[in-house]
Amino acid sequence: DVVLTQSPATLSVTPGERISLSCRASESVDTYLHWYQQKPNESPRLLIKYASQSISGIPSRFSGSGSGTDFTLSINGVELEDLSIYYCQQGNSLPTFGAGTKLELK
Amino acid sequence: EVQLQQSGAELVKPGASVKLSCKTSGYTFSNYYMSWLKQMPGQNIEWIGNIYGGNGGTGYNQKFKGKATLTVDKSSSTAYMDLSSLTSEDSAVYFCARRAGRTYYFDYWGQGVMVTVSS
Repeated sequence: DVVLTQSPATLSVTPGERISLSCRASESVDTYLHWYQQKPNESPRLLIKYASQSISGIPSRFSGSGSGTDFTLSINGVELEDLSIYYCQQGNSLPTFGAGTKLELK
Repeated sequence: EVQLQQSGAELVKPGASVKLSCKTSGYTFSNYYMSWLKQMPGQNIEWIGNIYGGNGGTGYNQKFKGKATLTVDKSSSTAYMDLSSLTSEDSAVYFCARRAGRTYYFDYWGQGVMVTVSS
């Protein structure tokens, strides 16, 4: 199985700042890497597909980059509503998820 | 509007089985795969398997073979997952999620159902 390692596990943020979350794959997944946001007691929501493709209805402050084994989710101007857990997921082989990065208020 | 509506929370005894449902609307059920995923409290998300709405063809994560059985009812656009021989390790939230096209990402999710295994 492809192992996805997300860092940091927790990130303390201040509203308005630009942040980057990392996801590293144990082997190349090309650009078959997707990002989700999950709020407490809710189901995950797709944010970014194929590493960098935007999703309709998702605010433009969310963006993704990377290919192969190293990927980044960026939030340009964090808002309070963004305080959630963010997961990466690879779809190059049978799907696996990272352990998540939790955004909390500084 | 695409919607996936899952059945309610379940409290089941060890050794028993449970059948979860995921009723869909807003899209052509037979044109997509439905996946099921498991999330234990405070933990990672695991993919259990998927089933094609058109012909019921299935694929499973090896870890869940023998534990989960996926079926569909095309007439009601509903997907089902049977979980058997339940133990405390099966206590978790289970999601259904539509697999987007031929590749593995999930564009619509059910609200999740909590399964608690306890005597």
